[in-house]
Amino acid sequence: GAVVSQHPSWVICKSGTSVKIECRSLDFQATTMFWYRQFPKQSLMLMATSNEGSKATYEQGVEKDKFLINHASLTLSTLTVTSAHPEDSSFYICSAAGARSEQYFGPGTRLTVT
Amino acid sequence: AQSVTQPDIHITVSEGASLELRCNYSYGATPYLFWYVQSPGQGLQLLLKYFSGDTLVQGIKGFEAEFKRSQSSFNLRKPSVHWSDAAEYFCAVGAGSTDKLIFGTGTRLQVFP
Repeated sequence: GAVVSQHPSWVICKSGTSVKIECRSLDFQATTMFWYRQFPKQSLMLMATSNEGSKATYEQGVEKDKFLINHASLTLSTLTVTSAHPEDSSFYICSAAGARSEQYFGPGTRLTVT
Repeated sequence: AQSVTQPDIHITVSEGASLELRCNYSYGATPYLFWYVQSPGQGLQLLLKYFSGDTLVQGIKGFEAEFKRSQSSFNLRKPSVHWSDAAEYFCAVGAGSTDKLIFGTGTRLQVFP
């Protein structure tokens, strides 16, 4: 099956700093990548959809200037949380979709902002 | 509004017992329906999906789900649960297999030996 990786798997940062999370499709080309956010014991909420080479589409209520998404290649999308605050602490999950008939999820990145 | 409801937050069953996890959805167009499983610290794994055809779909790990349009439901079942099935299960709906998904709140399954 297709593999999607995320890096880092766990990151701790200080309030006010920025952190970048990478999502890579390892063995297929992902024309579309989705970024989800999951709070403890809650569901996954879609943050944004990114298509390779174009600007990301953000869901209502998601601050695009705070959560910067770059999908620069067919195998890599990045999510940068700028000026992170404790309320941004969460589990961030990406999924990637290409020519195959389903999307594949990464293992997630746990962000803790102190 | 588009939404997915999983009424059961937490279910506990004995190993070898049967299992049914409930899922109801609200979606304007013809939905693609999915069940995913998430183990601690791991990503989501697709168990099965439905779009059209036979309303009883078979998935991996011995799971099956039945689509009932009249009830807007897509319940997940397994005849005999194994201890390794303990995990979080999510029902999701979308416009296609490679489209953005709306997830339910999840059901945590605990299995006792």
